Amino acid sequence: GAVVSQHPSWVICKSGTSVKIECRSLDFQATTMFWYRQFPKQSLMLMATSNEGSKATYEQGVEKDKFLINHASLTLSTLTVTSAHPEDSSFYICSARGARFGTDTQYFGPGTRLTVL
Amino acid sequence: GENVEQHPSTLSVQEGDSAVIKCTYSDSASNYFPWYKQELGKRPQLIIDIRSNVGEKKDQRIAVTLNKTAKHFSLHITETQPEDSAVYFCAASILRPGDMRFGAGTRLTVKP
Repeated sequence: GAVVSQHPSWVICKSGTSVKIECRSLDFQATTMFWYRQFPKQSLMLMATSNEGSKATYEQGVEKDKFLINHASLTLSTLTVTSAHPEDSSFYICSARGARFGTDTQYFGPGTRLTVL
Repeated sequence: GENVEQHPSTLSVQEGDSAVIKCTYSDSASNYFPWYKQELGKRPQLIIDIRSNVGEKKDQRIAVTLNKTAKHFSLHITETQPEDSAVYFCAASILRPGDMRFGAGTRLTVKP
């Protein structure tokens, strides 16, 4: 399957700081990337969908000014958590999709565990 | 929007037995139904998927069935092994744009 990487794998920050998470598709062009967050023992909740070169589409209840998403190229999307607070602590996972060998499968990154103190 | 319900939330089976996890979806336009396996602290891994033009798909010990009329689909794992223990998520989406909605997950435990 396709390879999606995420960086960093974990981050600890102080309340009020901003954190940037990168999601890269390593061996295919990702026309669409998705950002999810997952609380312990819970499901994946879609935060936003981003298409290369256009503004992200945010799910209801997700603050677009707090969770800034940029999809500047076909292989890179970034999620910036601005002015992070303890309630933003979570597991953030990206996924990427690109028509590769005729499939539309989404491939997930390894996730980033964010802890806000 | 799409709403996916998944049952049961936990499932415990003896090694060698079969396990079945069921999901229902609400949006009749959904046409892609993947299943993911997630081990603790790791990424979800696609294990099998099915599209709406197919009623059943099998890959070795894993099979998925889809009933479009009833809007439900199921994952079947036969001859379960301890390494099958994980959380399994079903999902439903419309292939374009493909924003998947996930079920709540099923924690499967296979006892040796």
